[in-house]
Amino acid sequence: DIQMTQSPSAVSASVGDRVTITCRASQGINNWLAWYQQKPGKAPKLLISAASSLESGVPSRFSGSGSGTDFTLTISSLQPEDSATYYCQQANFSPDTFGQGTKLEI
Amino acid sequence: EVQLVESGGGLVRPGGSLRLSCAASGFTFSSHWMSWVRQAPGKGLEWVANIKPDGSQRDHVDSVKGRFTVSRDNAKNSLFLQMDSLRAEDTAVYYCARTGTYRGLDYWGQGTLLTVSS
Repeated sequence: DIQMTQSPSAVSASVGDRVTITCRASQGINNWLAWYQQKPGKAPKLLISAASSLESGVPSRFSGSGSGTDFTLTISSLQPEDSATYYCQQANFSPDTFGQGTKLEI
Repeated sequence: EVQLVESGGGLVRPGGSLRLSCAASGFTFSSHWMSWVRQAPGKGLEWVANIKPDGSQRDHVDSVKGRFTVSRDNAKNSLFLQMDSLRAEDTAVYYCARTGTYRGLDYWGQGTLLTVSS
Protein backbone atom coordinates (compact mmCIF):
# COMPACT_ATOMS: atom_id res chain seq x y z
CA ASP A 1 0.00 0.00 0.00
CA ILE A 2 1.07 3.58 -0.59
CA GLN A 3 2.21 5.30 2.59
CA MET A 4 1.29 8.96 2.99
CA THR A 5 3.40 10.91 5.45
CA GLN A 6 2.26 14.33 6.57
CA SER A 7 4.29 16.92 8.38
CA PRO A 8 4.10 18.48 10.78
CA SER A 9 1.74 16.43 12.97
CA ALA A 10 0.65 19.59 14.71
CA VAL A 11 1.20 23.29 14.22
CA SER A 12 0.22 26.41 16.10
CA ALA A 13 -0.07 29.71 14.27
CA SER A 14 -1.72 33.10 14.53
CA VAL A 15 -4.46 34.80 12.57
CA GLY A 16 -2.98 36.18 9.36
CA ASP A 17 -0.04 33.76 9.28
CA ARG A 18 0.84 31.64 6.29
CA VAL A 19 0.93 27.92 7.00
CA THR A 20 2.21 25.07 4.87
CA ILE A 21 1.48 21.39 5.42
CA THR A 22 3.38 18.79 3.45
CA CYS A 23 2.44 15.30 2.34
CA ARG A 24 4.87 12.78 0.92
CA ALA A 25 3.84 9.61 -0.88
CA SER A 26 5.95 6.45 -0.76
CA GLN A 27 5.86 6.39 -4.56
CA GLY A 28 4.58 8.60 -7.36
CA ILE A 29 0.81 9.07 -7.41
CA ASN A 30 0.30 10.98 -10.68
CA ASN A 31 -1.11 14.00 -8.81
CA TRP A 32 -4.18 12.09 -7.58
CA LEU A 33 -3.88 13.83 -4.25
CA ALA A 34 -6.68 15.38 -2.23
CA TRP A 35 -6.72 17.54 0.90
CA TYR A 36 -9.47 17.51 3.53
CA GLN A 37 -10.34 19.64 6.51
CA GLN A 38 -12.03 18.05 9.51
CA LYS A 39 -13.43 19.82 12.54
CA PRO A 40 -14.27 17.95 15.77
CA GLY A 41 -17.42 15.86 15.51
CA LYS A 42 -17.86 16.64 11.82
CA ALA A 43 -17.30 14.79 8.59
CA PRO A 44 -14.24 15.73 6.55
CA LYS A 45 -14.63 18.41 3.92
CA LEU A 46 -12.85 18.22 0.57
CA LEU A 47 -10.70 21.30 -0.04
CA ILE A 48 -8.50 20.38 -2.98
CA SER A 49 -8.41 17.51 -5.45
CA ALA A 50 -5.96 16.52 -8.17
CA ALA A 51 -3.23 18.20 -6.10
CA SER A 52 -4.20 21.77 -6.96
CA SER A 53 -7.86 22.00 -7.99
CA LEU A 54 -9.76 24.08 -5.46
CA GLU A 55 -13.26 22.80 -4.71
CA SER A 56 -16.17 25.12 -5.30
CA GLY A 57 -16.91 27.30 -2.29
CA VAL A 58 -13.52 26.81 -0.64
CA PRO A 59 -11.84 30.15 0.18
CA SER A 60 -9.02 31.15 -2.14
CA ARG A 61 -6.57 31.38 0.79
CA PHE A 62 -6.31 27.59 0.46
CA SER A 63 -4.05 26.29 -2.29
CA GLY A 64 -2.39 23.04 -3.20
CA SER A 65 0.73 22.26 -5.16
CA GLY A 66 3.20 19.53 -5.87
CA SER A 67 3.70 16.55 -8.13
CA GLY A 68 5.06 13.04 -8.09
CA THR A 69 5.58 12.24 -4.44
CA ASP A 70 5.70 15.64 -2.70
CA PHE A 71 2.69 17.86 -2.16
CA THR A 72 1.80 20.89 -0.08
CA LEU A 73 -1.31 22.55 1.25
CA THR A 74 -0.88 26.25 1.92
CA ILE A 75 -3.20 28.52 3.82
CA SER A 76 -2.12 32.02 2.90
CA SER A 77 -3.72 34.07 5.67
CA LEU A 78 -5.04 32.07 8.57
CA GLN A 79 -8.51 32.74 9.88
CA PRO A 80 -9.91 31.55 13.22
CA GLU A 81 -12.25 29.14 11.46
CA ASP A 82 -9.27 27.31 9.90
CA SER A 83 -8.57 25.60 13.22
CA ALA A 84 -9.02 21.93 12.30
CA THR A 85 -7.22 18.73 11.39
CA TYR A 86 -6.07 18.41 7.79
CA TYR A 87 -5.58 15.15 5.91
CA CYS A 88 -4.08 14.30 2.57
CA GLN A 89 -5.28 11.28 0.57
CA GLN A 90 -3.89 9.53 -2.47
CA ALA A 91 -6.36 8.08 -4.97
CA ASN A 92 -3.97 6.72 -7.58
CA PHE A 93 -3.46 3.23 -6.21
CA SER A 94 -5.98 1.00 -4.46
CA PRO A 95 -6.43 1.07 -1.56
CA ASP A 96 -6.77 4.80 -1.22
CA THR A 97 -4.68 5.91 1.74
CA PHE A 98 -4.74 8.92 4.01
CA GLY A 99 -1.98 10.73 5.78
CA GLN A 100 -2.02 10.65 9.57
CA GLY A 101 -3.33 14.20 9.83
CA THR A 102 -2.03 17.61 10.84
CA LYS A 103 -3.74 19.41 13.70
CA LEU A 104 -3.75 23.16 13.15
CA GLU A 105 -4.30 25.35 16.18
CA ILE A 106 -4.95 29.02 15.75
CA GLU B 1 -28.70 19.38 -2.74
CA VAL B 2 -26.48 16.33 -2.40
CA GLN B 3 -27.23 14.34 0.73
CA LEU B 4 -25.75 11.16 2.13
CA VAL B 5 -27.36 9.69 5.22
CA GLU B 6 -25.83 6.67 6.94
CA SER B 7 -27.73 4.34 9.23
CA GLY B 8 -27.35 0.98 10.88
CA GLY B 9 -24.59 1.60 13.40
CA GLY B 10 -24.78 0.37 16.96
CA LEU B 11 -23.29 -1.91 19.59
CA VAL B 12 -22.30 -5.39 18.45
CA ARG B 13 -20.46 -8.18 20.21
CA PRO B 14 -17.15 -9.45 18.81
CA GLY B 15 -17.81 -11.97 16.07
CA GLY B 16 -21.16 -10.43 15.26
CA SER B 17 -22.50 -8.90 12.06
CA LEU B 18 -24.06 -5.64 11.05
CA ARG B 19 -25.12 -3.95 7.83
CA LEU B 20 -24.62 -0.26 7.30
CA SER B 21 -26.71 1.67 4.79
CA CYS B 22 -26.21 5.00 3.10
CA ALA B 23 -29.16 6.73 1.43
CA ALA B 24 -28.15 9.09 -1.34
CA SER B 25 -30.14 11.93 -2.86
CA GLY B 26 -29.66 15.07 -4.89
CA PHE B 27 -27.42 13.58 -7.58
CA THR B 28 -27.31 10.75 -10.12
CA PHE B 29 -26.20 8.00 -7.76
CA SER B 30 -25.62 5.47 -10.53
CA SER B 31 -22.93 7.69 -12.10
CA HIS B 32 -20.53 7.85 -9.17
CA TRP B 33 -18.01 5.65 -7.44
CA MET B 34 -18.91 5.44 -3.76
CA SER B 35 -16.72 4.74 -0.76
CA TRP B 36 -16.79 3.88 2.92
CA VAL B 37 -14.25 5.57 5.19
CA ARG B 38 -13.93 4.99 8.92
CA GLN B 39 -12.43 6.82 11.84
CA ALA B 40 -11.66 5.10 15.13
CA PRO B 41 -12.16 7.25 18.25
CA GLY B 42 -9.45 9.88 18.43
CA LYS B 43 -7.70 8.52 15.33
CA GLY B 44 -7.27 9.44 11.70
CA LEU B 45 -9.20 8.50 8.59
CA GLU B 46 -9.02 5.03 7.07
CA TRP B 47 -10.44 4.17 3.65
CA VAL B 48 -12.43 0.93 3.92
CA ALA B 49 -13.97 0.10 0.55
CA ASN B 50 -15.27 1.47 -2.71
CA ILE B 51 -17.51 0.34 -5.54
CA LYS B 52 -17.83 1.25 -9.19
CA PRO B 53 -21.00 3.00 -10.42
CA ASP B 54 -22.48 -0.16 -11.92
CA GLY B 55 -21.32 -2.35 -9.04
CA SER B 56 -19.10 -4.46 -11.27
CA GLN B 57 -15.88 -3.60 -9.45
CA ARG B 58 -15.24 -3.23 -5.78
CA ASP B 59 -12.25 -3.16 -3.46
CA HIS B 60 -11.63 -3.38 0.25
CA VAL B 61 -8.73 -2.53 2.52
CA ASP B 62 -6.76 -5.61 3.53
CA SER B 63 -7.80 -5.41 7.18
CA VAL B 64 -11.45 -6.06 6.26
CA LYS B 65 -11.10 -8.34 3.23
CA GLY B 66 -13.12 -11.50 3.67
CA ARG B 67 -15.17 -9.91 6.46
CA PHE B 68 -16.73 -6.77 4.92
CA THR B 69 -18.54 -6.45 1.60
CA VAL B 70 -19.54 -3.21 -0.08
CA SER B 71 -22.58 -3.26 -2.36
CA ARG B 72 -25.07 -0.87 -3.89
CA ASP B 73 -28.63 -0.72 -5.17
CA ASN B 74 -28.81 1.95 -7.86
CA ALA B 75 -32.60 1.58 -8.13
CA LYS B 76 -32.86 2.63 -4.49
CA ASN B 77 -29.95 5.10 -4.48
CA SER B 78 -28.38 3.17 -1.65
CA LEU B 79 -24.92 2.03 -0.63
CA PHE B 80 -24.31 -0.77 1.85
CA LEU B 81 -21.52 -2.24 3.92
CA GLN B 82 -22.08 -5.78 5.20
CA MET B 83 -19.76 -6.36 8.13
CA ASP B 84 -19.19 -9.88 9.49
CA SER B 85 -16.80 -11.35 12.05
CA LEU B 86 -16.55 -7.97 13.73
CA ARG B 87 -13.61 -7.19 15.95
CA ALA B 88 -12.97 -4.58 18.63
CA GLU B 89 -10.62 -2.78 16.24
CA ASP B 90 -13.54 -2.20 13.84
CA THR B 91 -15.01 0.25 16.35
CA ALA B 92 -15.26 3.56 14.51
CA VAL B 93 -17.48 6.14 12.94
CA TYR B 94 -18.24 4.94 9.43
CA TYR B 95 -18.78 7.52 6.70
CA CYS B 96 -20.07 7.00 3.21
CA ALA B 97 -18.66 9.36 0.62
CA ARG B 98 -19.07 10.16 -3.06
CA THR B 99 -16.13 10.26 -5.43
CA GLY B 100 -16.02 13.46 -7.41
CA THR B 101 -14.59 14.47 -10.75
CA TYR B 102 -10.94 14.44 -9.74
CA ARG B 103 -11.15 11.39 -7.43
CA GLY B 104 -11.55 13.41 -4.28
CA LEU B 105 -14.35 12.42 -1.90
CA ASP B 106 -16.52 15.47 -2.46
CA TYR B 107 -19.58 14.69 -0.35
CA TRP B 108 -19.74 12.84 2.95
CA GLY B 109 -22.49 11.65 5.20
CA GLN B 110 -22.66 12.55 8.87
CA GLY B 111 -21.32 9.15 9.89
CA THR B 112 -22.69 6.27 11.91
CA LEU B 113 -20.96 4.84 14.98
CA LEU B 114 -20.14 1.16 15.24
CA THR B 115 -19.01 -0.12 18.61
CA VAL B 116 -17.75 -3.68 18.88
CA SER B 117 -17.57 -4.73 22.49
CA SER B 118 -18.59 -7.55 24.79
